[in-house]
Amino acid sequence: KQEVTQIPAALSVPEGENLVLNCSFTDSAIYNLQWFRQDPGKGLTSLLLIQSSQREQTSGRLNASLDKSSGRSTLYIAASQPGDSATYLCAVDLITGGGNKLTFGTGTQLKVEL
Amino acid sequence: ETGVTQSPTHLIKTRGQQVTLRCSSQSGHNTVSWYQQALGQGPQFIFQYYREEENGRGNFPPRFSGLQFPNYSSELNVNALELDDSALYLCASSVSGTGLGQYFGPGTRLTVT
Repeated sequence: KQEVTQIPAALSVPEGENLVLNCSFTDSAIYNLQWFRQDPGKGLTSLLLIQSSQREQTSGRLNASLDKSSGRSTLYIAASQPGDSATYLCAVDLITGGGNKLTFGTGTQLKVEL
Repeated sequence: ETGVTQSPTHLIKTRGQQVTLRCSSQSGHNTVSWYQQALGQGPQFIFQYYREEENGRGNFPPRFSGLQFPNYSSELNVNALELDDSALYLCASSVSGTGLGQYFGPGTRLTVT
């Protein structure tokens, strides 16, 4: 059974810091890995999607990497801002599931302080 | 391009009642997946619909059922509501076979009292 773990569970940083969120998964047979942002009580906003054959994706201040062989992904946020405060979730889409059936971690709750 | 929409936003039901949640998929998407997110947890996969048929189910009992319509919109039905069914229910749409990821709606907050 696929397990997805996110470390740390919570993180508080001052504005302007660069930070790294970690995600690990136990089954490397994946179609892709997605990083999402979730504001309190809201739905999920897709940030980055990394296909199984890719090593990284970038969007603005965000960079996500994927090391499928070791079952790890990192989300790098550069020059953090208070507006980045949210919960960040990673999710993997398993090949054995047939696609489009995500397994999520429990998230990292990020707070960026002024 | 219209994103994924869900209705209602919130609702409160009593234990034992039945509820129907609705989802309209993003334009051009043919697959709908439903997830349950309990407070403080990551979303859990309930089931997926493709071509109006269930195409995979997570670890949820049969009282969770669904439908997909020809326009790819979908319903999630929950019978005999239990207190533990209180959660945020998320709908996600995608295009089958592309690996281009899932796109989520804003969710429906269900409270069972």
